Amino acid sequence: NAGVTQTPKFQVLKTGQSMTLQCAQDMNHEYMSWYRQDPGMGLRLIHYSVGAGITDQGEVPNGYNVSRSTTEDFPLRLLSAAPSQTSVYFCASSYSFVPGTNVLTFGAGSRLTVL
Amino acid sequence: AQTVTQSQPEMSVQEAETVTLSCTYDTSESNYYLFWYKQPPSRQMILVIRQEAYKQQNATENRFSVNFQKAAKSFSLKISDSQLGDTAMYFCACNYGGSQGNLIFGKGTKLSVKP
Repeated sequence: NAGVTQTPKFQVLKTGQSMTLQCAQDMNHEYMSWYRQDPGMGLRLIHYSVGAGITDQGEVPNGYNVSRSTTEDFPLRLLSAAPSQTSVYFCASSYSFVPGTNVLTFGAGSRLTVL
Repeated sequence: AQTVTQSQPEMSVQEAETVTLSCTYDTSESNYYLFWYKQPPSRQMILVIRQEAYKQQNATENRFSVNFQKAAKSFSLKISDSQLGDTAMYFCACNYGGSQGNLIFGKGTKLSVKP
């Protein structure tokens, strides 16, 4: 049981490049989400999904794209990287999106640096 | 908009002593859930404790307990018998009915436990 797996753990990009952060869970979780963590800002929601084929925007969605073609995978795409996207990214999932039942399981995080 | 505020960016405590981390939140919802997450230097996000707003009894988990003051919208975390392994960032978070499972996080409190 691997839980939530994020790859890569570290990545350095140049401004304008695109890349995909991968997130996979093997717990048959319905809900998946992406957060970014910046110093002094806590965690902020980028995008989330309540099931395969369903995605929606969070607090800070600009510059990011997601899709949910399977229950297991929820990749985060940076379309044209900017230095403002330098951050630590966390993928999190839970069995349900019903508040109170959804204890989030987090991945280990991916540190992204955009030069 | 729902907000979560942690007013103490940094705190320190001596080993074996007790420390309280503060958190206030603002929501007009009647049904919501409150969480404390711990993030040690390894960066992994770990659930410490959860409180359901409709329960008057304060949640406890071993050395961790909360003081939930619903009228004051306050949700503080008390750590008793502090241990060196408690050194971490601590995030308060809120999840309310209709939020589709999304958590709103505070900016965090960095706790250092000193020997």
